[in-house]
Amino acid sequence: NAGVTQTPKFQVLKTGQSMTLQCAQDMNHNSMYWYRQDPGMGLRLIYYSASEGTTDKGEVPNGYNVSRLNKREFSLRLESAAPSQTSVYFCASSSVTGLSTDTQYFGPGTRLTVL
Amino acid sequence: AQSVAQPEDQVNVAEGNPLTVKCTYSVSGNPYLFWYVQYPNRGLQFLLKYITGDNLVKGSYGFEAEFNKSQTSFHLKKPSALVSDSALYFCAVRDISGYSSASKIIFGSGTRLSIRP
Repeated sequence: NAGVTQTPKFQVLKTGQSMTLQCAQDMNHNSMYWYRQDPGMGLRLIYYSASEGTTDKGEVPNGYNVSRLNKREFSLRLESAAPSQTSVYFCASSSVTGLSTDTQYFGPGTRLTVL
Repeated sequence: AQSVAQPEDQVNVAEGNPLTVKCTYSVSGNPYLFWYVQYPNRGLQFLLKYITGDNLVKGSYGFEAEFNKSQTSFHLKKPSALVSDSALYFCAVRDISGYSSASKIIFGSGTRLSIRP
C-alpha cells in the first residue's frame, strides 16, 4: 500500500514549456486534489475531483488543467509554464465514507522551478 | 467564508517543555477542524481532527487539540516536546462552500515549530 504517489519529484522548466505532473492513489478514494505550496501562504487548492469523471476549479486554477484519468489517477498539466508557477505541488486524496471521511492523504510533492 | 488563522510564524520550545501552537477559525455553522504536520521535504501528514463531541481531541505522536467554541480556537498541544517534533504545522478547516462531495480543506499559513535540545 503506497498511499499517494507523485512523479516527478523535481523538475526544471523554461518559460513557455509544458509538462504534466502525475498522481496516483491506491486507497480506493473517491476524491483527489492538487495544491501548490508557496512560502508563507500555506497550501492553495488548484483543482479537485470529487469523483471519477468530475473536476472543479479551486482557489488558483489559472494556468493549469487537470484530468481525472480513472479512479486512481489525477494529473495536473501546465500548458505554458511561467516563473510564477515555481512552487511545490502536492496531490492528495480523500474518502467520502468511513472513519477517515474528510481526512486528506498527501503525496510527497513535486518541486517545480520555472526559469 | 471559512478561514483559519495561525498568528505565530514560529514557535520555539525547549525539549521536555509543553508546547502550544495556536489556531483560530471563522466558519458559518459547525466547524470541521484539522491539524496537519509537514516534516522537511515531505508531504503533509494528518495529526487529528475535530468534527463533534469531546472538545479535547487526541491524535498521533502524543499531540492533542482543544476545541473552544466561545474563543473560536483550536490550539494544538503536547505535554512534553521532543526534538523530533520540529516541523511545520498547519491548521485547517473544512470548506463547505458550494455543493460537492469532495472534502475541500482551507489551510492556514503554517507555524514552524522548533524544539531545542
